[in-house]
Amino acid sequence: LAKTTQPISMDSYEGQEVNITCSHNNIATNDYITWYQQFPSQGPRFIIQGYKTKVTNEVASLFIPADRKSSTLSLPRVSLSDTAVYYCLVGARPGRRALTFGSGTRLQVQP
Amino acid sequence: EAGVVQSPRYKIIEKKQPVAFWCNPISGHNTLYWYRQNLGQGPELLIRYENEEAVDDSQLPKDRFSAERLKGVDSTLKIQPAELGDSAVYLCASSWGGNGQGLTDTQYFGPGTRLTVL
Repeated sequence: LAKTTQPISMDSYEGQEVNITCSHNNIATNDYITWYQQFPSQGPRFIIQGYKTKVTNEVASLFIPADRKSSTLSLPRVSLSDTAVYYCLVGARPGRRALTFGSGTRLQVQP
Repeated sequence: EAGVVQSPRYKIIEKKQPVAFWCNPISGHNTLYWYRQNLGQGPELLIRYENEEAVDDSQLPKDRFSAERLKGVDSTLKIQPAELGDSAVYLCASSWGGNGQGLTDTQYFGPGTRLTVL
């Protein structure tokens, strides 16, 4: 499985856009990029998944450049409730295989 | 619709004691996973079930850990005897399993069981 590298932590303020970048230099041709969010005392929650270019849902956007060696999770206008750990994962679909989590990015949103 | 249910939410035991965790996946989900999450780290897989069959248990410490998924629904993870290093959050997740056509197979996680071994 491709290894991923993310910043350990990030700080932001309410109302700002937050971009978390993940590096995955060894991504394979059939690998997809998935992001999960985890709040304290809860299990991880699926946010978004993509293969190339851009994916957008009601929660976030995922930007993937042509070489696919990195990806950026974009959270528009964050609020205090977006304070969480965000994990970037790379692996082939279908997703029934186990997920390999790194240490994630701890996002702290300030008022 | 109910999500993945786990119990207990918290468990404190002394070392060398046995402990068991229970998981009820989302109805209709064929695939069930047990993960362990240490403080400040991401979850790591212990075992994965496809229906009743354990298809990936390479990370399960088989000398003290055991798991079962009777009738392909609920699952139990057991540790016997527990060691100090087993203190962690044990997460259960489930997914539909897809139909082999490459559909996204999102994993849904329960709240976890926080185990403290004294």
